Amino acid sequence: DIQMTQSPSSLSATVGDRVTITCQASQDISNSLTWYQFKPGKAPKLLIYGASTLEAGVPSRFSGSGSGTDFSFTISSLQPEDFATYYCQHYDNLPYTFGQGTKLEIK
Amino acid sequence: QVQLQESGPGLVQPSQTLSLTCSVSGGSIGAVGYYWSWIRQSAGKGLEYIGRVYPMGGTDYNPSLWSRVAMSIDTFKNRFSLDLRSVTAADSAIYYCARLKVPSAHGVFDIWGQGTVVTVSS
Repeated sequence: DIQMTQSPSSLSATVGDRVTITCQASQDISNSLTWYQFKPGKAPKLLIYGASTLEAGVPSRFSGSGSGTDFSFTISSLQPEDFATYYCQHYDNLPYTFGQGTKLEIK
Repeated sequence: QVQLQESGPGLVQPSQTLSLTCSVSGGSIGAVGYYWSWIRQSAGKGLEYIGRVYPMGGTDYNPSLWSRVAMSIDTFKNRFSLDLRSVTAADSAIYYCARLKVPSAHGVFDIWGQGTVVTVSS
């Protein structure tokens, strides 16, 4: 199985900050990477696929980049509704695997 | 707007079978270009892909669970199901159903249910 190493595991920030999360795959996955947003009690939300393609309806303050084994996810200017947990996931082959998550908290 | 909703018992006894159903509304479960999946989230293992079922009934399971898992699909009732046999406390988790958008052999989970908490305990 491909291992996804995500960092940091938690992050404290304030509204308006720019934050970046990284995700590293244990082998080359090309651009087969997604980013999701999880909030307690709500359906998880797909934000980015193909490493950098924004899902329809997702605000442009979210962005992703990378290919091969190293990827990053950025929120350019944090909004109150962005405080959540974020996960990366590869879909290069089966089984799909996820990073351990980054909990974004209010400072 | 397609929506997914998980249902099933919140408490399962050890060694029994965990059975969950995901009801799909706002779209057809037989639509081309989509598979249907189960994912779980536990404190111990994080997010874990369980498997996927195709509209025609074929399946792929995570090798870590394949000996205990069965998935099925009911296109008439627009829902799909998960059975996990011989459960232990390690199977306690939030179970999510999700739609897998597959432009090729693999794809992304573009729509998720809210998740259902399952606890394995006597």
